[in-house]
Amino acid sequence: GENVEQHPSTLSVQEGDSAVIKCTYSDSASNYFPWYKQELGKRPQLIIDIRSNVGEKKDQRIAVTLNKTAKHFSLHITETQPEDSAVYFCAASKVGPGGSYIPTFGRGTSLIVHP
Amino acid sequence: DSGVTQTPKHLITATGQRVTLRCSPRSGDLSVYWYQQSLDQGLQFLIQYYNGEERAKGNILERFSAQQFPDLHSELNLSSLELGDSALYFCASSVGPQGDQETQYFGPGTRLLVL
Repeated sequence: GENVEQHPSTLSVQEGDSAVIKCTYSDSASNYFPWYKQELGKRPQLIIDIRSNVGEKKDQRIAVTLNKTAKHFSLHITETQPEDSAVYFCAASKVGPGGSYIPTFGRGTSLIVHP
Repeated sequence: DSGVTQTPKHLITATGQRVTLRCSPRSGDLSVYWYQQSLDQGLQFLIQYYNGEERAKGNILERFSAQQFPDLHSELNLSSLELGDSALYFCASSVGPQGDQETQYFGPGTRLLVL
């Protein structure tokens, strides 16, 4: 099955710095890659996603890049703010036997932004 | 607020007992996914239903079962509970094959503590 590795497990930055979280996946059939932000005790919230026919996608301070050949994708957050502090999960999804997308999640990165 | 609701928010029970977790998807969503989130296993996909039918199975134990009802709400039944079943249980919903099937919206979760 699919295996998703996420690094680093913890990332500490100063407010205003950039943060980069990297994920690799194993199954070349995966073609949808969402990123979720989860604050302590809360639900995962989709912050950005990318499909395999696109190499990069940006939404304000957040961007995601995808390298299908190398099977890795990354989340970039610029001008970090204390409210960006949370656990971030990447996922690699492909269509399952029933015709729906089934994600495999990375183990998460705890991002801490110091004021 | 994602529009996905889950009840109860918290559940404390004893080993050997049986509990039922409930999820109502976003209005119009036909797919419901169940996930278990624990510290040691991360976010694990359990099972998916689409319009009342089981579509995909992940790492779901035989002691666990689920169903989706005609009104599209879903229930996850956990029986013969063990200490290791203590975790956050999330459901998520998506539109399904007729729409943006990849994007999943998570509910607030049910925190289960087995004593």
